[in-house]
Amino acid sequence: DIQMTQSPSSLSASVGDRVTITCRAGQTIRTYLNWYQQKPGKAPKLLIYDASSLQSGVPSRFSGGGSGTDFTLTISSLQPEDFATYYCQQSHSTPYTFGQGTKLEIK
Amino acid sequence: EVQLVESGGGLVQPGGSLRLTCTASGFTFRSYEMNWVRQAPGKGLEWVSYINNSGGTMTHYAESVRGRFTTSRDNAKNSLYLQMNSLRAEDTAVYYCARVSDYGDCPVLDYWGQGILVAVSS
Repeated sequence: DIQMTQSPSSLSASVGDRVTITCRAGQTIRTYLNWYQQKPGKAPKLLIYDASSLQSGVPSRFSGGGSGTDFTLTISSLQPEDFATYYCQQSHSTPYTFGQGTKLEIK
Repeated sequence: EVQLVESGGGLVQPGGSLRLTCTASGFTFRSYEMNWVRQAPGKGLEWVSYINNSGGTMTHYAESVRGRFTTSRDNAKNSLYLQMNSLRAEDTAVYYCARVSDYGDCPVLDYWGQGILVAVSS
């Protein structure tokens, strides 16, 4: 199984801040890396796919990058609605493992 | 509008069985691969299982459920199933069904159900 490791596990930031979350795969996954946002009591929502492609309807302040084993999710200017938990997921091979999540909290 | 609705959850004793159903609408169900994903209370997402499209002849499972859980589908009923046997306390979670789409050759979970709670306790 491909292990996915996210960092940090939690992050405190303010509205307007730029934040970056990293995700590392245990082996190369090319660009088969997706990012999801989850708010309490809700299902996850797809933000970024194929490492850097923005899902339709997702604000352009979200961006993704990386390939191989190291990936990033960046929010350029935090908005109040962005405070949530973020997960990376590899879809290179089953099991489609998730990272442990990064909880983004208001400072 | 794409919709996925889970049902069949509830409280079950350790060692018991439960079958979850995910009813799909708003898209051609038989054309899509499907996944189950779960989330234990206060924890992260855990991928559970995969089933291929069409006849559902190919399945994959997380090691934590392999041999106890079975995923199947009935395309005529637009339904996905998760049969869970020999349930353990650590299977307690909200279970989501999710549609798999290929976005530029990259599989993604683009639509999710609202989730259903399975609680394993005596």
